[in-house]
Amino acid sequence: DMKVTQMPRYLIKRMGENVLLECGQDMSHETMYWYRQDPGLGLQLIYISYDVDSNSEGDIPKGYRVSRKKREHFSLILDSAKTNQTSVYFCASSAGQGTEVFFGKGTRLTVV
Amino acid sequence: GDSVTQTEGLVTLTKGLPVMLNCTYQTTYSPFLFWYVQHLNEAPKLLLKSSTDNKRTEHQGFYATLHKSSSSFHLQKSSVQLSDSALYFCALRGTGGYKVVFGSGTRLLVSP
Repeated sequence: DMKVTQMPRYLIKRMGENVLLECGQDMSHETMYWYRQDPGLGLQLIYISYDVDSNSEGDIPKGYRVSRKKREHFSLILDSAKTNQTSVYFCASSAGQGTEVFFGKGTRLTVV
Repeated sequence: GDSVTQTEGLVTLTKGLPVMLNCTYQTTYSPFLFWYVQHLNEAPKLLLKSSTDNKRTEHQGFYATLHKSSSSFHLQKSSVQLSDSALYFCALRGTGGYKVVFGSGTRLLVSP
């Protein structure tokens, strides 16, 4: 069963705390993504990973960093979370150029 | 850089009527275009994709034709159902790249 799994699904953090969002995929996809979704802004690309330890900034990388030490895992880290990072975060993966992007169910992060 | 424009933020229709959701794009590469559908509190899922100019692609009653001359990939359905109420995203991947860019999304609300 092709799946992208995100943990946790819901998270509430205080401003200034560190946040770790985790993502796994069971399809051996090389490429993985982190997007955030905000009303009226669609899905904005934070980071893209081409493979283990091969990561590249997306359109809105400021305030975020990523880690990919295994092909099947891709983590998003927020060092000292800010209230404007309250959002829904989606992890996704794809096999290659022109192929479908598979999304996880998302993590709803609230920073208070 | 690559970009996708969806002009309608919200479309409201009565069941049984036809719908067209607009999508235009900009890229310097040969494009792959996608439509994703996201139901409430779920992950976006692929609805359609195409890279072939002037060829209609269909799935689950929805259809779209990529027109490279006008940089468009509009989504259509001849008769909407209540279950079609969702958020629809148009997305673009330029050939040779791994980055997938999404439009801001169009919310379709179908009433009885």
